[in-house]
Amino acid sequence: GAGVSQSPRYKVAKRGQDVALRCDPISGHVSLFWYQQALGQGPEFLTYFQNEAQLDKSGLPSDRFFAERPEGSVSTLKIQRTQQEDSAVYLCASSARTAGGEKLFFGSGTQLSVL
Amino acid sequence: GQNIDQPTEMTATEGAIVQINCTYQTSGFNGLFWYQQHAGEAPTFLSYNVLDGLEEKGRFSSFLSRSKGYSYLLLKELQMKDSASYLCAVRDRTGNNRKLIWGLGTSLAVNP
Repeated sequence: GAGVSQSPRYKVAKRGQDVALRCDPISGHVSLFWYQQALGQGPEFLTYFQNEAQLDKSGLPSDRFFAERPEGSVSTLKIQRTQQEDSAVYLCASSARTAGGEKLFFGSGTQLSVL
Repeated sequence: GQNIDQPTEMTATEGAIVQINCTYQTSGFNGLFWYQQHAGEAPTFLSYNVLDGLEEKGRFSSFLSRSKGYSYLLLKELQMKDSASYLCAVRDRTGNNRKLIWGLGTSLAVNP
């Protein structure tokens, strides 16, 4: 597609429910990032993939969060046993180069509300 | 520690010029980015600076001073559509060099 696509756009979950958020990066983009953005805050890094390899997952807040990109394209962020503090916008971004200086292309995000 | 500071809110008038400042303290530095984010939308790339000096792109310019840990985004001939949040982000040089450290964003309101 022309840009980074994320689905669903909105997700309401009951506390304790598992959710899966999908990201379709721009075709051919090697790097893929997941960010969490709370209202009125900047994005917070969660994890980074280079192709199918998850090179950095230091931002994942707990072991309830899991991300994968098995074929180096589509990525899924899974949150198990959701808690209210997980409510946020989850942004996916991709970029074309692995060297420094490349710009990120963001998806529109998935707004997760945990009740 | 890692820290990015930028003003929370700014107001300006249509047609005017506004400068949004960003100061940073990071353990390493490998480039500074400015992104624009309209409410409810994804951030979009505006500029990238890795060397000292001014980068100009149409109505938007970005400046960097690495020795001072300082950058600014300059918006000229403001338009109503420039009302948005402007995010400063720094690429740290540590680790695998991929992580961006983000400021909280500056919410700019452009008034007629």
